[in-house]
Amino acid sequence: DAGVIQSPRHEVTEMGQEVTLRCKPISGHDYLFWYRQTMMRGLELLIYFNNNVPIDDSGMPEDRFSAKMPNASFSTLKIQPSEPRDSAVYFCASSLYSTQYFGPGTRLTVL
Amino acid sequence: GESVGLHLPTLSVQEGDNSIINCAYSNSASDYFIWYKQESGKGPQFIIDIRSNMDKRQGQRVTVLLNKTVKHLSLQIAATQPGDSAVYFCAENMSGSGNTGKLIFGQGTTLQVKP
Repeated sequence: DAGVIQSPRHEVTEMGQEVTLRCKPISGHDYLFWYRQTMMRGLELLIYFNNNVPIDDSGMPEDRFSAKMPNASFSTLKIQPSEPRDSAVYFCASSLYSTQYFGPGTRLTVL
Repeated sequence: GESVGLHLPTLSVQEGDNSIINCAYSNSASDYFIWYKQESGKGPQFIIDIRSNMDKRQGQRVTVLLNKTVKHLSLQIAATQPGDSAVYFCAENMSGSGNTGKLIFGQGTTLQVKP
């Protein structure tokens, strides 16, 4: 298996622009997680899905952030409008039972 | 509130020595713990896990110890190698079920291996 796939790997955008991050989980996994990692706050869980249904979005910073999972093999995290403080590495992870497997991350820079 | 924290931000060891990375947790209801390794520019990689009904679990060159009395978790790496240099995170499952759910990560410990 190719593991969790994320795109793009790097994204540089200007404040106010819309940003869409993409994730393809490991085939057969029924949980999908979105995390954000910064030096100041470490790894933060933003939202997670089970069988394509959002279970807990309490970690989503504010209404500018939204996530969808239209099918078992694809999820998006959207930031609109983006702000410089959104600059971070965003990870997607998936799991079938207990162990979460992480993707390589998307490094987002908002200027 | 609940938190998962690491005692030391940086650990420097000599190649070939054993490494011990520590982690404290505060939620006594948590029943599943994981150690991840994160190399520069990569996502966290699963190393080993342990459930609360166990005190010790061994993998290849790694051992995790769980002390529920003092809510302490440790990762031991035997014969540390340069490739072990990374940031190590402990994570705690907050669902209480041992199943997937929220993982709360500690801040991480940087392991530096000196040749």
